[in-house]
Amino acid sequence: QVQLVQSGAEVKKPGASVKVSCKASGYTFTSYGISWVRQAPGQGLEWMGWISAYNGNTNYAQKLQGRVTMTTDTSTSTAYMELRSLRSDDTAVYYCARDDSSGFGVTLDYWGQGTLVTVSS
Amino acid sequence: QSVLTQPPSASGTPGQRVTISCSGSSSNIGSNTVNWYQQLPGTAPKLLIYSNNQRPSGVPDRFSGSKSGTSASLAISGLQSEDEADYYCAAWDDSLNALFGGGTKLTVL
Repeated sequence: QVQLVQSGAEVKKPGASVKVSCKASGYTFTSYGISWVRQAPGQGLEWMGWISAYNGNTNYAQKLQGRVTMTTDTSTSTAYMELRSLRSDDTAVYYCARDDSSGFGVTLDYWGQGTLVTVSS
Repeated sequence: QSVLTQPPSASGTPGQRVTISCSGSSSNIGSNTVNWYQQLPGTAPKLLIYSNNQRPSGVPDRFSGSKSGTSASLAISGLQSEDEADYYCAAWDDSLNALFGGGTKLTVL
């Protein structure tokens, strides 16, 4: 069965960086993309960007351009999301999700369990 | 404030039919397909409807989606207590970003 298992919760200080991992299993990793979505406490969903697990092409949300980097390691079927220059409003649960839309859509059919990132001094 | 506009709340009694709307523009809903996600309390979102009106395997046919112009709707018939959740619409935008609606909290009275 398809599973996406994310790394554990993180606490970071403002200005620091965080890197969240997402290990996929149960499907051919390179046949799909991975999107990252975050959800601030009590708020809605925010799309952060997409990466092709086939060739590493990326598309980042405009508001995060320059602060976010998404990568994949096909040898371990793992996707990574790094966010830099953290601010308090980056405090959120970060989700990875399998993306069946080839990079021009938002068809997220399997989701990780979420990783809470807390930014606090 | 989200570019895709949803009512913040909706409610119904068991057995009723409820609809949730999602309003966008020509650059998103008007030119791309709409997906719907269900998020039960404390859990990750789940894909409920894709390509405007398609249900993934395992989603009951009580859930249906439609799209007309720059708006879309999610309908839930035969409302059940376990349908109490947050519902989000989502669509690609021609600015090369994906958009989510602000979410609708559904209460089963």
